[in-house]
Amino acid sequence: GENVEQHPSTLSVQEGDSAVIKCTYSDSASNYFPWYKQELGKRPQLIIDIRSNVGEKKDQRIAVTLNKTAKHFSLHITETQPEDSAVYFCAASKSTGKLIFGQGTTLQVKP
Amino acid sequence: GAVVSQHPSRVICKSGTSVKIECRSLDFQATTMFWYRQFPKKSLMLMATSNEGSKATYEQGVEKDKFLINHASLTLSTLTVTSAHPEDSSFYICSASSLGHGTEAFFGQGTRLTVV
Repeated sequence: GENVEQHPSTLSVQEGDSAVIKCTYSDSASNYFPWYKQELGKRPQLIIDIRSNVGEKKDQRIAVTLNKTAKHFSLHITETQPEDSAVYFCAASKSTGKLIFGQGTTLQVKP
Repeated sequence: GAVVSQHPSRVICKSGTSVKIECRSLDFQATTMFWYRQFPKKSLMLMATSNEGSKATYEQGVEKDKFLINHASLTLSTLTVTSAHPEDSSFYICSASSLGHGTEAFFGQGTRLTVV
């Protein structure tokens, strides 16, 4: 069945450093890959997404890359700040709105 | 973006009782709604896909008779946890999508269910 693997499960960086989270998906028909930030007890917040016809997308300090051949995509956060500390989830979808989530990454940015 | 409202945000119920959670799309018509369950420090697991006017499609391992889903209109889907037990305690969250909004999913605030 559909599966999304996410690594690492935890990530600790110093403020100002970069953070990279990687995901691999199993269903080659997936064509939409969003990334979410979730704070405790809150709904997931979309921070960036990419579609399968694009290889890279950037929004200020956040960027996502997609390698369709290898079926993996990555989130890059540069110049990390303490407020970036949260749990991040990748997901894959086939344009139906149905999302298959990765296991999540707890990012800690140390001041 | 579009707004999805979920109620209640928190509910405590006794074992054996049923709890209904509502998910409403406030400013768009949601052709499809999804229900997820999230245990502490875990990921969101899809429970079922809800289409307006038809039966929900449940993921493998999700009990249809325990988690009743009704999608009576294009703006409302409900999840009823029947005969709740402590192991049903979890964070339940819905999302909605529509043809007009492409592939993006819009999430409700989530419901923290505690069964005592």
